[in-house]
Amino acid sequence: NAGVMQNPRHLVRRRGQEARLRCSPMKGHSHVYWYRQLPEEGLKFMVYLQKENIIDESGMPKERFSAEFPKEGPSILRIQQVVRGDSAAYFCASSPERSYTGELFFGEGSRLTVL
Amino acid sequence: GQQVMQIPQYQHVQEGEDFTTYCNSSTTLSNIQWYKQRPGGHPVFLIQLVKSGEVKKQKRLTFQFGEAKKNSSLHITATQTTDVGTYFCAGDNAGNNRKLIWGLGTSLGVNP
Repeated sequence: NAGVMQNPRHLVRRRGQEARLRCSPMKGHSHVYWYRQLPEEGLKFMVYLQKENIIDESGMPKERFSAEFPKEGPSILRIQQVVRGDSAAYFCASSPERSYTGELFFGEGSRLTVL
Repeated sequence: GQQVMQIPQYQHVQEGEDFTTYCNSSTTLSNIQWYKQRPGGHPVFLIQLVKSGEVKKQKRLTFQFGEAKKNSSLHITATQTTDVGTYFCAGDNAGNNRKLIWGLGTSLGVNP
């Protein structure tokens, strides 16, 4: 039973390029969350999605960032025209429709470095 | 906006000593979760506390939820080097765990 799969694990981009981060939730999970973590800091909520719907994107910057979770395929976090301040670890988490424990299952993260 | 404060930010202990991290919310929470993140790793769920005054134990770890449901603590008895990592609390005030508010974490170092 595979866990939450994220790729790429490491991504290097130059300023102005685009970064695409992918997340496949655990089997049977319909809820996906994206978090950003800067070095030595906690997790910042970015966006919460269900299949084909963005439920809450209040933590996502208004410009350059977008997220989707299509009917088929992984969830995608897209960062356009990256800047150095976008360098961070981006974690995806998933959860089932109904959860007794409330647990979020995290992937191993995608570490973005912007040169 | 709602905040979750965690103290201390860092702590180093000698192996065998106890360790406690505290979490305080500016608002009443529906529940609180605790996660552990090893250096270079990803957050891993430890526990969720829901009831006022709740106390739960997992081996050497003891978790408490305050009576007012605004604070929580994690206590580790007799630390081991495997306890090294950052411990995060994450509060939920909507009752659906869909948008957790995370503390900045307490980084624990253990000297062998």
